[in-house]
Amino acid sequence: TQLLEQSPQFLSIQEGENLTVYCNSSSVFSSLQWYRQEPGEGPVLLVTVVTGGEVKKLKRLTFQFGDARKDSSLHITAAQPGDTGLYLCAGARSGGSNYKLTFGKGTLLTVNP
Amino acid sequence: GAGVSQSPRYKVAKRGQDVALRCDPISGHVSLFWYQQALGQGPEFLTYFQNEAQLDKSGLPSDRFFAERPEGSVSTLKIQRTQQEDSAVYLCASTRGPYLSGANVLTFGAGSRLTVL
Repeated sequence: TQLLEQSPQFLSIQEGENLTVYCNSSSVFSSLQWYRQEPGEGPVLLVTVVTGGEVKKLKRLTFQFGDARKDSSLHITAAQPGDTGLYLCAGARSGGSNYKLTFGKGTLLTVNP
Repeated sequence: GAGVSQSPRYKVAKRGQDVALRCDPISGHVSLFWYQQALGQGPEFLTYFQNEAQLDKSGLPSDRFFAERPEGSVSTLKIQRTQQEDSAVYLCASTRGPYLSGANVLTFGAGSRLTVL
């Protein structure tokens, strides 16, 4: 059961455009992580957000954690072909099982030159 | 090693065969995880080791799945009597400490893609 819903599932844009992808849940998470996965590779961590309302920037990527720690968004400015990949959000619960991540299905982003 | 290494990268098995997938975590990493990623899905948790102790195996789909980490380093995921629904990428990940936090991050291997015919 996927407790994290990601949208859109697929996104194809032109180089230079901006985009936002969303990660929503009815559950509260102690932290939320965003990963990018390329074909034939494992997910690579981009960022971890832990505080409700937190905003983190990584070059052209801006990550936001919702105030209630149930949702998150990833905004990419001036997308480049190198941004192409599967973007996954993953949440960790508080308490004794906070080693276990729950992943969304991902947003498959294609940036065309 | 510098990263998490998994082997084989690709495995084709006939239905009913047993398979073994190996994971070499980053040296010194205490925690090791196995995740299963079906086509078009996000990874799903299978099991968690802290050193040699298997602390959580709640995600293993059936008793045909077995994982071990006898010396607290290399881990093996074994699937007995494989079925077509076992076809997936099996990802191994490790982290230095016991819990995930902003400072304690998960590093994934490239995965082992299992196809059961």
